Amino acid sequence: DVKVTQSSRYLVKRTGEKVFLECVQDMDHENMFWYRQDPGLGLRLIYFSYDVKMKEKGDIPEGYSVSREKKERFSLILESASTNQTSMYLCASTGPTADTQYFGPGTRLTVL
Amino acid sequence: AQSVAQPEDQVNVAEGNPLTVKCTYSVSGNPYLFWYVQYPNRGLQFLLKYITGDNLVKGSYGFEAEFNKSQTSFHLKKPSALVSDSALYFCAVRDRGSSASKIIFGSGTRLSIRP
Repeated sequence: DVKVTQSSRYLVKRTGEKVFLECVQDMDHENMFWYRQDPGLGLRLIYFSYDVKMKEKGDIPEGYSVSREKKERFSLILESASTNQTSMYLCASTGPTADTQYFGPGTRLTVL
Repeated sequence: AQSVAQPEDQVNVAEGNPLTVKCTYSVSGNPYLFWYVQYPNRGLQFLLKYITGDNLVKGSYGFEAEFNKSQTSFHLKKPSALVSDSALYFCAVRDRGSSASKIIFGSGTRLSIRP
């Protein structure tokens, strides 16, 4: 069975802290995505990776960075967390045809 | 530019009645179209997709959707709603010729099925 896991379901951090969100997929997928989900705004793409060490900015990359050192793992980094980064963060992956996305359970991040 | 619209924030249906969740899209070429469902405190789950072929697509949990090119729509339907169908539904679109990163999600429609 396909599986995408995220390191935390809930996370509370303070303003200015460095935050790491990790995502692991076991499907040998090339493509991995980080989205944030906010009410009424749907999903917005933060970053996309199409291969190890390769990344592409999405629609809202400001304040975020990513790392993909291994094919199965894609990390999202908030260098200095701010209250406007309080959100649900979703990781997803797709295979070479890049159609169906498989999502992790999400991390609900609160920045105080 | 690509876009997708879900015109209804919320849809309320009585159990046993048919349901429709609307989606319209805009792409410059031919679309890939998707529906995903999100249950409370969960990630999104794939329901169905249109890639090519038959305009009527059948998916998980008895859902189906019809690709209508002239109306640029991909409405999600089910003949008889269940209380367990209550969830948040997202339509998504990608231009077939575009990068995998260029998938666009709608804002979501909350489906509420009353017993």
